[in-house]
Amino acid sequence: DTAVSQTPKYLVTQMGNDKSIKCEQNLGHDTMYWYKQDSKKFLKIMFSYNNKELIINETVPNRFSPKSPDKAHLNLHINSLELGDSAVYFCASSHRQRPESDTQYFGPGTRLTVL
Amino acid sequence: RKEVEQDPGPFNVPEGATVAFNCTYSNSASQSFFWYRQDCRKEPKLLMSVYSSGNEDGRFTAQLNRASQYISLLIRDSKLSDSATYLCVVNMNYGGATNKLIFGTGTLLAVQP
Repeated sequence: DTAVSQTPKYLVTQMGNDKSIKCEQNLGHDTMYWYKQDSKKFLKIMFSYNNKELIINETVPNRFSPKSPDKAHLNLHINSLELGDSAVYFCASSHRQRPESDTQYFGPGTRLTVL
Repeated sequence: RKEVEQDPGPFNVPEGATVAFNCTYSNSASQSFFWYRQDCRKEPKLLMSVYSSGNEDGRFTAQLNRASQYISLLIRDSKLSDSATYLCVVNMNYGGATNKLIFGTGTLLAVQP
């Protein structure tokens, strides 16, 4: 009965490779997010999708490409991985985008290590 | 200046102590405010929302001062299980349906037996 799930939990790969992280939520939410938490523990939003439409795209290298096949899924593909991409990537979801916002529920995170 | 600033700590307190965390935010147009908790190697989880009138949930009390752009969290009678990083979070609206959470860097609390 996991609310927001991500796979894989750990990902170790070589520089230059391409990898994907998958996220699924079973909460019936219509908005999903990707966050990056770096080694200094700073959590920063990367992307947000509402009803499969991209609504937030922070200043992220275009090597990062999110894809939302449906409201319950938001995947993140990363091309040509670099050392600086090493971080924990969290997926999150919420019911709707409003200023007062519903609670965001986070997945368990994917710990990416680029060697 | 960071959009949301917190003292990173660590705050080392004995069990039973009262501890207070503070946070300031830079954008006066910020819409809503939260405290999240993050355990080591885990995901952030909502602890409580923060309202101008102040709100309390058991041992936890949150306050918001919009004029000073300041948010606080008070934990009374600290338990060992309160040890975690406490994240101050501000929700900002960028027009229409676009709003996003801005996270502080977190304050680490270690409750000692």
